[in-house]
This record gives sequence, structure tokens and C-alpha cells, in this order.
Amino acid sequence: QSALTQPPSASGSPGQSVTISCTGGSSDVGLYNYVAWYQQYPGKAPKLIIYDVNKRPSGVPARFSGSKSGDTASLTLSGLQAEDEADYYCTSYLAYNKYVFGTGTRVSVL
Amino acid sequence: EVQLVESGGGLVQPGGSLRLSCAASGFTFSDYWMHWVRQAPGKGLVWVSTIKGDGTGTKYVDSVEGRFTVSRDNTKNTLFLQMDSLRADDTAVYYCVRDGIAGFSDLDYWGHGTLVTVSA
Repeated sequence: QSALTQPPSASGSPGQSVTISCTGGSSDVGLYNYVAWYQQYPGKAPKLIIYDVNKRPSGVPARFSGSKSGDTASLTLSGLQAEDEADYYCTSYLAYNKYVFGTGTRVSVL
Repeated sequence: EVQLVESGGGLVQPGGSLRLSCAASGFTFSDYWMHWVRQAPGKGLVWVSTIKGDGTGTKYVDSVEGRFTVSRDNTKNTLFLQMDSLRADDTAVYYCVRDGIAGFSDLDYWGHGTLVTVSA
């Protein structure tokens, strides 16, 4: 199973919006509404920020939102803040309780 | 408070073995699927393995199938990963991760990770 494809980097100024794509295929992103997104700071464990395409865990700000169209899922960070500078990974459920992660995107706040 | 604490990482020679442990607390361990996810230095996350709450079902990524074995002891709230025939490309931080029950894709709690280095 190949990794899902994400852009290596994305950036925006404070207050702007940034959207990160996550492209898979008909056996993962396109088949299941089970896409999640994780935020990871350097040297730290990842943190769940979106699950099941567009659901936010308790405590995650509403400026993080998720969507999906066909084989591509997206994460949008609205009202970008300095603390949003981190790596972001998507993941999709596969059959038989397996998962595949995306290649990761580093978000920079200019 | 949910806590996942990994241990057992270290330096091992190619072809060697290592057993990772993950001590879980703050939740009913046997109710949850658990996962191992790894991250090579400077690289992305890779899902490695999963095990059902009662230990009866396991799955692996193709690259570790036949070399790694995931297991759990629900009496001690501990998850294990037995790693055999280790290769240099197994070098990574290994995270113990809980599979949440709010949805179908929420890996909701992660340990701090334990570093495995495979080198001669």
C-alpha cells in the first residue's frame, strides 16, 4: 500500500487560510469516509485534529476543518496562527483494520 | 487521564530482535483496538500493526509481515511488539496508539514513542 500523496509544504500569513490536500485512490480515500488528520510538532507525538473526514475531537479549534471529494481529502486551517506551524499528516482507513498515512505537509506561518 | 508509555527501544544489530512494550492506563484497555505506528528519523508516519481488544485479531503492514508480532496482556494493560530479523530500515521512533471509539478513523491517544536503532 503506497502512502497517500500530500504537498511537502504549505504556507500563509497570520489570519489567512491554508488548505492541504491528501490524494489517495479508489481503495482508500475514495472508498471510505474514514480520513483523519494529525498535527505534529518537532520531537513530539502526533495529535488527532480531524477524524471521519470532518469531525473534530473535543478541544480542537473550529478553525480546523476537513472535507473530501472523490479520492482527495483536504484539511483547511482558517485564521492561521503562529502556533499552527507544524507538520500535518492525513491517514485513511483501509480494509481489515489497516491504515495508510500521507507523506506529510509542513505548514509555515510567514 | 489516558496515558500510553512505551519502553524497550534501543540499539540492535541487523538481524537481531527487540521487544517493545506499551503500558496503558486511564481507560479500559481491553475495550480498545491498539496500534503501533513508526516514524524514521526526518521521515513521515507509517502504520505498522494493530491488534483487537481481546487479542484475537492482528494485522500488519506488508514490510513487517512475518517479522513482527503484536500481542497484548489485558491483565497487565500492556501492549507488545516483538520485532525479529530487524533491518536498517526498521530504524524509527515507534509509537503506541489507541484506536478511539468516537468514529472509525480516530487514533486518539499516542504515547511519546521509543527509538529503535538498527545498526552494526
